[in-house]
Amino acid sequence: EAQVTQNPRYLITVTGKKLTVTCSQNMNHEYMSWYRQDPGLGLRQIYYSMNVEVTDKGDVPEGYKVSRKEKRNFPLILESPSPNQTSLYFCASSLRTSLIYEQYFGPGTRLTVT
Amino acid sequence: KQEVTQIPAALSVPEGENLVLNCSFTDSAIYNLQWFRQDPGKGLTSLLLIQSSQREQTSGRLNASLDKSSGRSTLYIAASQPGDSATYLCAVNGDYGQNFVFGPGTRLSVLP
Repeated sequence: EAQVTQNPRYLITVTGKKLTVTCSQNMNHEYMSWYRQDPGLGLRQIYYSMNVEVTDKGDVPEGYKVSRKEKRNFPLILESPSPNQTSLYFCASSLRTSLIYEQYFGPGTRLTVT
Repeated sequence: KQEVTQIPAALSVPEGENLVLNCSFTDSAIYNLQWFRQDPGKGLTSLLLIQSSQREQTSGRLNASLDKSSGRSTLYIAASQPGDSATYLCAVNGDYGQNFVFGPGTRLSVLP
């Protein structure tokens, strides 16, 4: 089954403790992206990747890191999480075909930083 | 900077009604526009994607139109059902597709 998977689905952590949220897709998509969703602010793009070893900042990259060493994986790293990073995080991927970027989303990771 | 707005923010209708959700964007230089559905606490499900060269797309009871020059898209839902209750989001992308911008969503409730 074609899908985007994220792990963990739920995470409660403390300020400053490094964490990684994994994202994997099995559709051979070149493009992958991370979003956060907050009440009243909607979905905002954190980072995106056009292909392996190619990443760039979205609208809200501060406090996050990403890497794209393999086509299928795009982990999101919080080196020193803070309470303002409590949010619902989504990973997405899409196939670059004639400028069509239909996105497929993972199920989300709910992160709480205390 | 691209900005996307959606009207109304929330909508409550009785079952069976036809309804229209609106999406507006400020920069008409987009490559495509995508409509999503999000159920509470869940991920996003793609409903329809309209390429910039297209005027509309249809899937079952859903029809999405795009007027790129005026920066508007509408999502038409025919014969609404309680199962259509969800938040509907539109998103646009431009500049070779790398930067997606989402609207805030319309929260739809269809009452039995």
